[in-house]
Amino acid sequence: AQTVTQSQPEMSVQEAETVTLSCTYDTSENNYYLFWYKQPPSRQMILVIRQEAYKQQNATENRFSVNFQKAAKSFSLKISDSQLGDTAMYFCAFMKLSGAGSYQLTFGKGTKLSVIP
Amino acid sequence: NAGVTQTPKFQVLKTGQSMTLQCAQDMNHNSMYWYRQDPGMGLRLIYYSASEGTTDKGEVPNGYNVSRLNKREFSLRLESAAPSQTSVYFCASSETVGTEAFFGQGTRLTVV
Repeated sequence: AQTVTQSQPEMSVQEAETVTLSCTYDTSENNYYLFWYKQPPSRQMILVIRQEAYKQQNATENRFSVNFQKAAKSFSLKISDSQLGDTAMYFCAFMKLSGAGSYQLTFGKGTKLSVIP
Repeated sequence: NAGVTQTPKFQVLKTGQSMTLQCAQDMNHNSMYWYRQDPGMGLRLIYYSASEGTTDKGEVPNGYNVSRLNKREFSLRLESAAPSQTSVYFCASSETVGTEAFFGQGTRLTVV
């Protein structure tokens, strides 16, 4: 079974600064997808960024980028120029693409990020 | 585009009561999921439906049943609610192959 570990239950960052959220995962699969989801106080789950395991290039979406280290099974999220609206719970998630349990998301326990004015 | 719609948004049940959470998606997605979210636990998969006509257990299926009524709709039923089922429930859908899951707004269920 796959496991996803987020080792930072809470973090804070000053507005306009950069912060990195950590995520590691354990799998024997070679093909999979990784995701970062954001959950603001509204409770809505919002996709932040996605990474395909077969791609060596790190995914980027505006101020959000990842550092994907496949051999180390690490998938960290970097938020640049942090904004007050980035305050939320962030979840790392894993999706395998074949075999039993394929296309299901396995989530980490989340990191609560607070952006301080 | 409505995306994924869940009803109700809030519900209070007494122990032993039954209820069905409804979920519908308008994105023509093949796969649908039910998750529960508890403090400090992240989201855990209850049941999923990889395609219309199929359902399978996830990580925490005990106490729940599901029905994939058609391609759009996937319901979750609690036959005899227990306080341990107090949680926030999320329905989600996705294309079959590795695209992101889209989530509904969640249902906060309290069992007293």
